[in-house]
Amino acid sequence: DAGVIQSPRHEVTEMGQEVTLRCKPISGHDYLFWYRQTMMRGLELLIYFNNNVPIDDSGMPEDRFSAKMPNASFSTLKIQPSEPRDSAVYFCASSLDPSSYNEQFFGPGTRLTVL
Amino acid sequence: QKEVEQNSGPLSVPEGAIASLNCTYSDRGSQSFFWYRQYSGKSPELIMSIYSNGDKEDGRFTAQLNKASQYVSLLIRDSQPSDSATYLCAVNTGEDGGSQGNLIFGKGTKLSVKP
Repeated sequence: DAGVIQSPRHEVTEMGQEVTLRCKPISGHDYLFWYRQTMMRGLELLIYFNNNVPIDDSGMPEDRFSAKMPNASFSTLKIQPSEPRDSAVYFCASSLDPSSYNEQFFGPGTRLTVL
Repeated sequence: QKEVEQNSGPLSVPEGAIASLNCTYSDRGSQSFFWYRQYSGKSPELIMSIYSNGDKEDGRFTAQLNKASQYVSLLIRDSQPSDSATYLCAVNTGEDGGSQGNLIFGKGTKLSVKP
């Protein structure tokens, strides 16, 4: 298995631009999670999906952030407009059904820099 | 606000020694507990999970859980330079220990093993 795939691996953009991050979960995993990691705040859950349906988006910082999962093999996290404080590493993770006790497998991350 | 606290370190130990990493959590209803290892510039990877009070051993790693004290720890025996990484404690606060709920991560403890 290829593991969780994220693209791009690095993104540099200017303030005000739209940014789209992409994720392909491990095949067969029903849960998909988006995290943001910074030195100041650590690893924070932004949103998670179960069977393509958003379950909890309380971690999404503000309306500039949106996430979609149109099918079981693809999800996007969009920031519009982007701001310098959005600079962070964004991780996507996936896991099996509840009986797996929440073992999450992380993708390599997207390092976002907003100038 | 549900919190997971860790000493940020760095924790420095000589090669061959025991490294002890500690974590406390605020939600008494937490059901499952995880230790993730994150090498610099890489994504977190699960190394241990524990659900019941007591000790759980896996090779050189031992996780210890004390729900009454809301405390979980990770011991690494015979520490190796390759163990140098940041260790993240994560707590699942879902009502059902088998459900996904949300994983809340601590900010991590940086471990350095000196040859």
